Amino acid sequence: GAVVSQHPSWVICKSGTSVKIECRSLDFQATTMFWYRQFPKQSLMLMATSNEGSKATYEQGVEKDKFLINHASLTLSTLTVTSAHPEDSSFYICSARDKLARGAKNIQYFGAGTRLSVL
Amino acid sequence: EDQVTQSPEALRLQEGESSSLNCSYTVSGLRGLFWYRQDPGKGPEFLFTLYSAGEEKEKERLKATLTKKESFLHITAPKPEDSATYLCAVPSREGGKLIFGQGTELSVKP
Repeated sequence: GAVVSQHPSWVICKSGTSVKIECRSLDFQATTMFWYRQFPKQSLMLMATSNEGSKATYEQGVEKDKFLINHASLTLSTLTVTSAHPEDSSFYICSARDKLARGAKNIQYFGAGTRLSVL
Repeated sequence: EDQVTQSPEALRLQEGESSSLNCSYTVSGLRGLFWYRQDPGKGPEFLFTLYSAGEEKEKERLKATLTKKESFLHITAPKPEDSATYLCAVPSREGGKLIFGQGTELSVKP
């Protein structure tokens, strides 16, 4: 149980184009999903918190117009990197929290990550 | 301010050489402490959650323990396949966001 699927696992795009990353909870409902960014040899940096049916909450310093987040259902959140530039190249990871997990509150289950390379 | 500190940053072990990883935390009102394993180029994989001091959890060669100030991840007779970065995290007061430590990169040589 508690499987989070993230797609694509790897994407290369040209500078100025937009890229969409999907995050799905496969066997549970997730009222809250999180998007992280990770640089080599560093820990995860939270970008935004996504709640189903409402606007995402972005961390300080994260451009909400560049990183568009949509959480339209209890099992799907998307991150769109708009007008991507080489400095946006990174490893993006999503996570989901089980809505019904009473005995295991606050546990986040992570997707496999998406490697974005902007040329 | 909530804070998580892991040590050491890197640990090299010979196969079969047991050791421990440390996670010190400062948080007002612990709402759980989580251990994850992360392989290169992958997302973190959930290992354990601990909620109260004195609690212990085990999985294969791994055992996690918790005190009021820190958690230990004990690795008994490690194998090369245990090589990974181990992350420790606690939920913040605000919306359950996880505060991660910097991780311990474990390398087990045959």
